[in-house]
Amino acid sequence: KNEVEQSPQNLTAQEGEFITINCSYSVGISALHWLQQHPGGGIVSLFMLSSGKKKHGRLIATINIQEKHSSLHITASHPRDSAVYICAVGGIQGAQKLVFGQGTRLTINP
Amino acid sequence: DGGITQSPKYLFRKEGQNVTLSCEQNLNHDAMYWYRQDPGQGLRLIYYSQIVNDFQKGDIAEGYSVSREKKESFPLTVTSAQKNPTAFYLCASSPDSSRNTIYFGEGSWLTVV
Repeated sequence: KNEVEQSPQNLTAQEGEFITINCSYSVGISALHWLQQHPGGGIVSLFMLSSGKKKHGRLIATINIQEKHSSLHITASHPRDSAVYICAVGGIQGAQKLVFGQGTRLTINP
Repeated sequence: DGGITQSPKYLFRKEGQNVTLSCEQNLNHDAMYWYRQDPGQGLRLIYYSQIVNDFQKGDIAEGYSVSREKKESFPLTVTSAQKNPTAFYLCASSPDSSRNTIYFGEGSWLTVV
C-alpha cells in the first residue's frame, strides 16, 4: 500500500462544476502539499498546510490530521484548471523526505 | 524574477551515452533536489544536496551522478549505467532541507533512442 493515496486518479467535469480531489496518507506528517502540474510538466505549489483550511481564489485545501486525510476543492471550475494535481506529505525531516501521491488528472470541458 | 531554470526541455540520447541535465536557481536556497517522474507513479527522489559540496543519494540513485560546486547549480548526469533512463526529470529547491517548503523547475524530458 502506498503511503500517499489520491482519489480519483482521473476526473472529467464540465465547466462550472465543484471539484473535490482527495488525499489519504498513512504516515505521521508535519506538512502536506498540494501541487499543480500543468501540461508542459512544470510544477507549482498551491498550498502547504499542517492543519485546518486554506483558501486562495477558487481553490480551497483542508486537512484532518486525526483522519490523515486532505481534500482539494475547486469552485466554479474552468478549462484552465485542467492539470494534474499532486498531494505530497512531509515530516520533520523536511523536503528531502517528501512522499508524493500518484496525482489526479483533472480535465474540465467547456 | 527568482526561480529554477532547467535545460534542456527536451533531450534525445542514444543508448550508451551519458547526458547531463542542467538546473540553476537564483532563490539563494541551500537545498536542491532531483526527482524522476514516470507515468502513473509519484515523483521519486534521485539525489539531493543540503549545501554546497555535499550531496546524498535518494531512493533511486543508481545510474545517476550529481555535483554541487556552486550554490545555484545542481547538474544531474544520467549515465549509460541507468537501465531505463527515458523519463521526465524535475529539479527542485528549498531554503534549507529541514523545511518542507519546496519550489520546482519546469522539468526536462529525456528520451533514449
